[in-house]
Amino acid sequence: KQEVTQIPAALSVPEGENLVLNCSFTDSAIYNLQWFRQDPGKGLTSLLLIQSSQREQTSGRLNASLDKSSGRSTLYIAASQPGDSATYLCAGGGYNNNDMRFGAGTRLTVKP
Amino acid sequence: SQTIHQWPATLVQPVGSPLSLECTVEGTSNPNLYWYRQAAGRGLQLLFYSVGIGQISSEVPQNLSASRPQDRQFILSSKKLLLSDSGFYLCAWRTSGHGEAFFGQGTRLTVV
Repeated sequence: KQEVTQIPAALSVPEGENLVLNCSFTDSAIYNLQWFRQDPGKGLTSLLLIQSSQREQTSGRLNASLDKSSGRSTLYIAASQPGDSATYLCAGGGYNNNDMRFGAGTRLTVKP
Repeated sequence: SQTIHQWPATLVQPVGSPLSLECTVEGTSNPNLYWYRQAAGRGLQLLFYSVGIGQISSEVPQNLSASRPQDRQFILSSKKLLLSDSGFYLCAWRTSGHGEAFFGQGTRLTVV
């Protein structure tokens, strides 16, 4: 089964910095990978979905890439803002499965 | 547009009491439905998923069960709660096994 790992577990940066969050997965037959944001005590908000046939997706200041051969995905956040402070999770699923496997998340703090 | 409703938002239950959490989706047909549990400071653990009415796949042996009595309704139940059942329960849906996933706002369950 798919195993997903996120590093670092926590990250603190000053406002305005560009930053990269990492997500690794064990099964290169991944069918898609999705990035989420979770605010404390809340559900997950979908940020970006990358299908296996794609290499990246962009939404505003966010850019996510997918490299199946290396088993990695990255989420790039440009010009970070205090409102970006949250936990970011990635989830991947294999073609033959109907489930999604999540990493433990990266807790991001953007300091004013 | 599609929406997902999950209730209650918070729940405090004594050990040994029954549990019923409900999740409904609007605006789509035949969604894949999921129940996840998130322990404090940890990632999401897949509990159950369903690809159709009456079709339930269980990921983790435990004293929880799930049912899908209608196309867009997913219920998580327990006959007797344990202290270890405390956590944040999240319902999710997507249009297929590989589409974008959307989450409810979660239920915070505390077993005392």
